[in-house]
Amino acid sequence: DAKTTQPPSMDCAEGRAANLPCNHSTISGNEYVYWYRQIHSQGPQYIIHGLKNNETNEMASLIITEDRKSSTLILPHATLRDTAVYYCIVNSGGSNYKLTFGKGTLLTVNP
Amino acid sequence: DGGITQSPKYLFRKEGQNVTLSCEQNLNHDAMYWYRQDPGQGLRLIYYSQIVNDFQKGDIAEGYSVSREKKESFPLTVTSAQKNPTAFYLCASRDRGRFTEAFFGQGTRLTVV
Repeated sequence: DAKTTQPPSMDCAEGRAANLPCNHSTISGNEYVYWYRQIHSQGPQYIIHGLKNNETNEMASLIITEDRKSSTLILPHATLRDTAVYYCIVNSGGSNYKLTFGKGTLLTVNP
Repeated sequence: DGGITQSPKYLFRKEGQNVTLSCEQNLNHDAMYWYRQDPGQGLRLIYYSQIVNDFQKGDIAEGYSVSREKKESFPLTVTSAQKNPTAFYLCASRDRGRFTEAFFGQGTRLTVV
């Protein structure tokens, strides 16, 4: 799997958009970008995924650059409950079952 | 409800004892995973299994063992050979397919004294 790079921490004001970057410059053509988040002392939770088009769901938006070497997770109106560690990973799925996570980004939403 | 269950939530053991952590899923997923998390650190892959009776080492398998005798169960044994066993352990499962999300249990916090 391609390696990802994320900033260790970020801050965001409550009600503002949180933009979390991820670099995956070695991503291959069949690898998806996934985002998960982990609230303190709980299991990670899936947020969103994408291949090359931008994606949006009820939780967030995912913007993937045209060359697919980086992406941004956007939480449009961050709340205090969005304070968590956010993980960006890439995986091709299918027969590639190995799933590795990095250290992620600790997002702190401040009142 | 479908999901993935880890038990117990908290576990205490004396140094030198083996301990087995339970992970059960009723999602009919083929793949299962074990991760270790230390304070302020990300998730590190210990073992994973793609199918019953088959499993592969992850990045930090030393001192751990697993079995996959049933599709729904993937227990992890932390052996006495593991130098620093105190950690938060997470189990996950995922279905096969091009895109599939992983589902995680709530974790077991193991403390070895």
